[in-house]
Amino acid sequence: DGGITQSPKYLFRKEGQNVTLSCEQNLNHDAMYWYRQDPGQGLRLIYYSQIVNDFQKGDIAEGYSVSREKKESFPLTVTSAQKNPTAFYLCASSMLVNTEAFFGQGTRLTVV
Amino acid sequence: GESVGLHLPTLSVQEGDNSIINCAYSNSASDYFIWYKQESGKGPQFIIDIRSNMDKRQGQRVTVLLNKTVKHLSLQIAATQPGDSAVYFCAEKEGNQFYFGTGTSLTVIP
Repeated sequence: DGGITQSPKYLFRKEGQNVTLSCEQNLNHDAMYWYRQDPGQGLRLIYYSQIVNDFQKGDIAEGYSVSREKKESFPLTVTSAQKNPTAFYLCASSMLVNTEAFFGQGTRLTVV
Repeated sequence: GESVGLHLPTLSVQEGDNSIINCAYSNSASDYFIWYKQESGKGPQFIIDIRSNMDKRQGQRVTVLLNKTVKHLSLQIAATQPGDSAVYFCAEKEGNQFYFGTGTSLTVIP
């Protein structure tokens, strides 16, 4: 089946630890995105990538890092520099032309 | 980035009634708009889209209206069902980036 897969669904980490969230797509999409969603709020863009080995900061990139070594993979690392990392993280992909973004099912990260 | 906002944060409707969810956008250069449905704990799902050269598009039980003059987008759901209860987001695409509103929570009363 074609789609976009995020793992794990739930993640718990201690404060001060880095953590990496996985995002894989088999839709052959060029663009991939990471969003953060907090309760009662919309989606805020963390990073996006339009092509392999290239990525751009979004509105809230501080404390996060990404890589795009393969077209199908766009992992997000939440570093210890992120002051409030507990949130719901959503990965998406799309073709570069005007088509919709397809979303994964999200990873809920809780830092204690 | 450009802001995309929603007029109402919550909406309650009786089962069988029609629902209308509104969205205002601020970037007149945006040329592609999408409505998403998000159920609790899940990722957003595509409902319907519309390009800026259109003012109306219909899907199954859903219609999107675009008024470029006042930069307003609406989603109409016909004969609303309990399974339609969710948060609905509008999104605009500017270049290769999507900008999302805060969402409207739709509750369908049986």
